[in-house]
Amino acid sequence: ETGVTQTPRHLVMGMTNKKSLKCEQHLGHNAMYWYKQSAKKPLELMFVYNFKEQTENNSVPSRFSPECPNSSHLFLHLHTLQPEDSALYLCASSQGPQGLSTDTQYFGPGTRLTVL
Amino acid sequence: RKEVEQDPGPFNVPEGATVAFNCTYSNSASQSFFWYRQDCRKEPKLLMSVYSSGNEDGRFTAQLNRASQYISLLIRDSKLSDSATYLCVVPTDSWGKFQFGAGTQVVVTP
Repeated sequence: ETGVTQTPRHLVMGMTNKKSLKCEQHLGHNAMYWYKQSAKKPLELMFVYNFKEQTENNSVPSRFSPECPNSSHLFLHLHTLQPEDSALYLCASSQGPQGLSTDTQYFGPGTRLTVL
Repeated sequence: RKEVEQDPGPFNVPEGATVAFNCTYSNSASQSFFWYRQDCRKEPKLLMSVYSSGNEDGRFTAQLNRASQYISLLIRDSKLSDSATYLCVVPTDSWGKFQFGAGTQVVVTP
């Protein structure tokens, strides 16, 4: 158990649906991340939050909308997705830049998303 | 050149044998590196960090070659449970941004 939880673990949605992914970390970290992992491809960074402030938006389409109400919770709101958005969405957390220079990320189990 | 490159494999390894594979990176300023393992349809889990010339943890040894800009992972006395995809991770110059390799698949066979 890594201390990072994600819900739901599996999600099937239509292109017109609106859904949200939730991530919670119990590690006392300050930074949280959203990644997308498609089959046979490297993890793609989507968003980075440090102390609830978004520090990185890696050119992600606006149909993905992140929300970070506090350092322990991170959401990814989804609307009007496309079939090519089907992937494993991973949340991670780390101590943040205020910690060791060798900041280490810990991942949640992911949400496997299928867009029909 | 990709920022982080890995041989995708698969490396088919008999149980008990030794396997090694490399990860090349392009950012010569990188100071720290990570190996994660990812089981099928699961999340990446930290295996080890590499800060200086290398690191050893039980049957796993990671080595860093700064001159040639690669890190390697060696697994001795392979176990069936070592079957996984091994991801190489390199921090970038921007905090919070890590470059992930596509992974090297290792299959340990009885």
